[in-house]
Amino acid sequence: AQSVTQLDSHVSVSEGTPVLLRCNYSSSYSPSLFWYVQHPNKGLQLLLKYTSAATLVKGINGFEAEFKKSETSFHLTKPSAHMSDAAEYFCVVISISGGSYIPTFGRGTSLIVHP
Amino acid sequence: DTGVSQDPRHKITKRGQNVTFRCDPISEHNRLYWYRQTLGQGPEFLTYFQNEAQLEKSRLLSDRFSAERPKGSFSTLEIQHTEQGDSAMYLCASSRTGGEGETQYFGPGTRLLVL
Repeated sequence: AQSVTQLDSHVSVSEGTPVLLRCNYSSSYSPSLFWYVQHPNKGLQLLLKYTSAATLVKGINGFEAEFKKSETSFHLTKPSAHMSDAAEYFCVVISISGGSYIPTFGRGTSLIVHP
Repeated sequence: DTGVSQDPRHKITKRGQNVTFRCDPISEHNRLYWYRQTLGQGPEFLTYFQNEAQLEKSRLLSDRFSAERPKGSFSTLEIQHTEQGDSAMYLCASSRTGGEGETQYFGPGTRLLVL
């Protein structure tokens, strides 16, 4: 079984300040973890992924995430928010080593960036 | 453009009518997924194909829903006797076996409104 909890439904930051979007997961197997971003009226775009290599993963647009097995977390961070980062962000888990290729999405975190 | 495409982008129908959506995956991808996304929620898995075989279906997929991928390329999702509760965004994604940690690439979606 697998599940994802995105701890905040909305996060509001000022432009130029750090971003933290929190994600906790549950998986009976070694998980693969992803962050996707969805801008209004656009398709889901992959930001970054963890697939059992380096625990600190760097993605596009300055985002990064750290896989912490002991905390079952995969929080997404960015040092300095930009107005264009305003979007919906989804944390996703897949338990590939358990033989399943079915991803479970979190409910999403809406990132609001103030000028 | 070699990304995932979906057609139509929008569909308005009356309750009780049948609708069919099409998805064209990235050409070298052998896995194809269908999801449903309602407002304020993350995508929910419906079904997936590996080549032409439908390998898994969610319990969300009622008997009114059917999906096909006859030649292992494009896929169709049909909803019979639509209900207002079927109103949602229907997303398609594709991936390659063993590739990139099962990274899925999403299409722009088909937004369905049932009146």
